[in-house]
Amino acid sequence: AQTVTQSQPEMSVQEAETVTLSCTYDTSESDYYLFWYKQPPSRQMILVIRQEAYKQQNATENRFSVNFQKAAKSFSLKISDSQLGDAAMYFCAYRTQNYGGSQGNLIFGKGTKLSVKP
Amino acid sequence: DSGVTQTPKHLITATGQRVTLRCSPRSGDLSVYWYQQSLDQGLQFLIQYYNGEERAKGNILERFSAQQFPDLHSELNLSSLELGDSALYFCASSVGASSTYEQYFGPGTRLTVT
Repeated sequence: AQTVTQSQPEMSVQEAETVTLSCTYDTSESDYYLFWYKQPPSRQMILVIRQEAYKQQNATENRFSVNFQKAAKSFSLKISDSQLGDAAMYFCAYRTQNYGGSQGNLIFGKGTKLSVKP
Repeated sequence: DSGVTQTPKHLITATGQRVTLRCSPRSGDLSVYWYQQSLDQGLQFLIQYYNGEERAKGNILERFSAQQFPDLHSELNLSSLELGDSALYFCASSVGASSTYEQYFGPGTRLTVT
């Protein structure tokens, strides 16, 4: 079974600085998706960024980028120019790639609580 | 706003009771997923439906059941409630059932069992 581990329960960053959140996963599959979700105090789950395992290029979305190391099974999230609105719980998630298949549930890590200091 | 709606937003009930949580997927989405977020277990997948049929089961208790109706809305039924069932229950929807399609999360239903 696949597992996702986030080893940093809490992180803190100064506004405008850069922070990296860590995530490792365990799988025997070669094709899969990895995600970072943000959960602000409103509790809404918001997709931040997505990475397909077959793509060597790291995904980026504005100030958010990932460092995907497939061999090491590592998937870290870098937030640049941190803003107060970035304060939230961040969840790393795994999803099996099942071409045309019928299952697509997400497997989540325990989360990292990010605080942003003004 | 993801386009996924969940009702009610909050629910407070007593142990031993039964509740029903409702989810309306985004327009055009055929697949619905239910997730539970609790302090003990974190975020975990419960069950998936696609166009009215059950497609995958996760860590769903036997006391819990779900269904998806012809209009594609879904309901999660929780019975013989225990204190440990207190959690935030999310519904997510996607166009199709496979992992190719993005999941969009609703705002969740906060269940408190007293």
